Amino acid sequence: QVQLVESGGGVVQPGGSLRLSCAASGFIFSNYGMHWVRQAPGKGLEWLSFTWGDGSNKFYADSVKGRFTISKDNSKNTLYLQMNSLRVEDTAVYYCAKDATGEYTFDYWGQGILVTVSS
Amino acid sequence: QSALTQPASVSGSPGQSITISCTGTSSDVGNYNFVSWYQQHPGKAPKLMIYEDIKRPSGVSNRFSGSKSVNTASLTVSGLLAEDEADYYCCSYAGSGTFVFGGGTKVTVL
Repeated sequence: QVQLVESGGGVVQPGGSLRLSCAASGFIFSNYGMHWVRQAPGKGLEWLSFTWGDGSNKFYADSVKGRFTISKDNSKNTLYLQMNSLRVEDTAVYYCAKDATGEYTFDYWGQGILVTVSS
Repeated sequence: QSALTQPASVSGSPGQSITISCTGTSSDVGNYNFVSWYQQHPGKAPKLMIYEDIKRPSGVSNRFSGSKSVNTASLTVSGLLAEDEADYYCCSYAGSGTFVFGGGTKVTVL
């Protein structure tokens, strides 16, 4: 069965960096695009970034473009999100999600990981 | 990349039907047949309920159905059950590899 497990969250100061990981299993990782989605405390879902199965193309929301970088290591079945220049408003639970190829849909989600940006 | 518009809350009694609207623009909801709906219980990850406007994944109850007209998509939950009490989010493909979510709707079962 599909499993997505995020790690790497924690507390970081404003202006700092953090790298999230998402370990995938139960499907052929290289065949599927992957997304990052976040949810600030008490708020709604916000799509952040998407990469194709082979990692060749990457797309970002305006709110994180130039600060966050998505990447995919198909040899390790792992998705990453490098977050730089973090702001207080980046505090959220971050989810990785599998793309249902051709359906523009997030069909499986990880359990989420909390990132807190605070001084 | 403006968020799609959903009502903040919707409520209904057990057995009744409710409908949640999701309004976008001709650049997202109205331009693609790629609206999806997600159910989220407190402290849990979202769960896919509807995709490609009207399709239901295997394992999702047929009490959930999707529809769309021009720039507004809708999720209908019929035969409301206590377990349907949750937050619901719509999402649309917005072109160029980007996506946009709605603000979410809290469904209360009275």
